Amino acid sequence: DAGVTQSPTHLIKTRGQHVTLRCSPISGHKSVSWYQQVLGQGPQFIFQYYEKEERGRGNFPDRFSARQFPNYSSELNVNALLLGDSALYLCASSLEGGHITGELFFGEGSRLTVL
Amino acid sequence: AQSVTQLGSHVSVSEGALVLLRCNYSSSVPPYLFWYVQYPNQGLQLLLKYTSAATLVKGINGFEAEFKKSETSFHLTKPSAHMSDAAEYFCAVLYTGGFKTIFGAGTRLFVKA
Repeated sequence: DAGVTQSPTHLIKTRGQHVTLRCSPISGHKSVSWYQQVLGQGPQFIFQYYEKEERGRGNFPDRFSARQFPNYSSELNVNALLLGDSALYLCASSLEGGHITGELFFGEGSRLTVL
Repeated sequence: AQSVTQLGSHVSVSEGALVLLRCNYSSSVPPYLFWYVQYPNQGLQLLLKYTSAATLVKGINGFEAEFKKSETSFHLTKPSAHMSDAAEYFCAVLYTGGFKTIFGAGTRLFVKA
């Protein structure tokens, strides 16, 4: 079975640009969470979507937005990129909202570099 | 505020030695607790999880962790380190009824030959 897939794996943008990151969850998983991992730090929660509804949002500015599609795949959008947005963006899927089993299944991430 | 603290950003052990990675959480209510491992240029992989069924939890690759409510700790151990254990380890917590998993800052494990 395929795991969580993310695209693109690497990308380079310049300040002020926009980026869209994509994630396909494990088949049967209805929840997708997005995390930002800055070099040398732990993942920071950005969003969780369950059944196409936003269940929670972390402490990130409105430049960050996301959505989940009917097939449970998800997009993370970041507008007006700043140098500080450079990070590994991780997508994780879970069966329910994560509050039952708690386990997250992670993709390998999209590494964003902002110049 | 809900938080997870991992003591030691770097831990170095010799091959065959005991591995001990420390984790403390802040909560009066026992949450779900996890240890994840991240190898270079990869996503996170679950090592083990505590969900109140047993205080001593066994995971993959010979790792185990013990939940101690009185100490609000969930330290990760392995009796004998292997070179392949070199990676970054993250302790994480999910509070009952919550939706976001909170991660610690991570501990990088180095294994010396």
